[in-house]
Amino acid sequence: NAGVMQNPRHLVRRRGQEARLRCSPMKGHSHVYWYRQLPEEGLKFMVYLQKENIIDESGMPKERFSAEFPKEGPSILRIQQVVRGDSAAYFCASSLGGTVNTEAFFGQGTRLTVV
Amino acid sequence: GESVGLHLPTLSVQEGDNSIINCAYSNSASDYFIWYKQESGKGPQFIIDIRSNMDKRQGQRVTVLLNKTVKHLSLQIAATQPGDSAVYFCAGADYKLSFGAGTTVTVRA
Repeated sequence: NAGVMQNPRHLVRRRGQEARLRCSPMKGHSHVYWYRQLPEEGLKFMVYLQKENIIDESGMPKERFSAEFPKEGPSILRIQQVVRGDSAAYFCASSLGGTVNTEAFFGQGTRLTVV
Repeated sequence: GESVGLHLPTLSVQEGDNSIINCAYSNSASDYFIWYKQESGKGPQFIIDIRSNMDKRQGQRVTVLLNKTVKHLSLQIAATQPGDSAVYFCAGADYKLSFGAGTTVTVRA
């Protein structure tokens, strides 16, 4: 059973371009969470999704950021018109249910560098 | 939501000694806490969890203690090994995880 798969592992974008980060949850998991980690800092919650639904996006910046988890395929975190401040590691986690009852497993992250 | 924070950003430990990492939380209603380990360039890895109806839980070489009176968590690692060098995060969980800033543990040979 493969773990949470994120791709790409490293992504370089020029300012103003779009970044698309993908996350395939563990088999059977229908809950996906995205976190952002700046250097030397902890993980900050961005968004919580279930299949075809956004449950909580309270950690998402109001502009340029969006996330989806379609019925088929991976979850996508999309950042439009990237700026240097978007450079960070973005981690995805998945769980069977909400984390209050079940363990969340993390992927290896996508490291976004905006030049 | 939950707010968690760690007491010390760094901890240097002699190989073979025991390590203690501390964490405080703010939400009295939280009933589930998790410790994660993150090695350089990798995602967080689950170590051990504890629910609020427990004071202590033991795993392999690790023990988590929960003091609800002072809203404090600790992670104890017995006989610390070089492979334990990493950043350790505590997280409070409701339907999402709220992480503290992390403690970087360095094991000296």
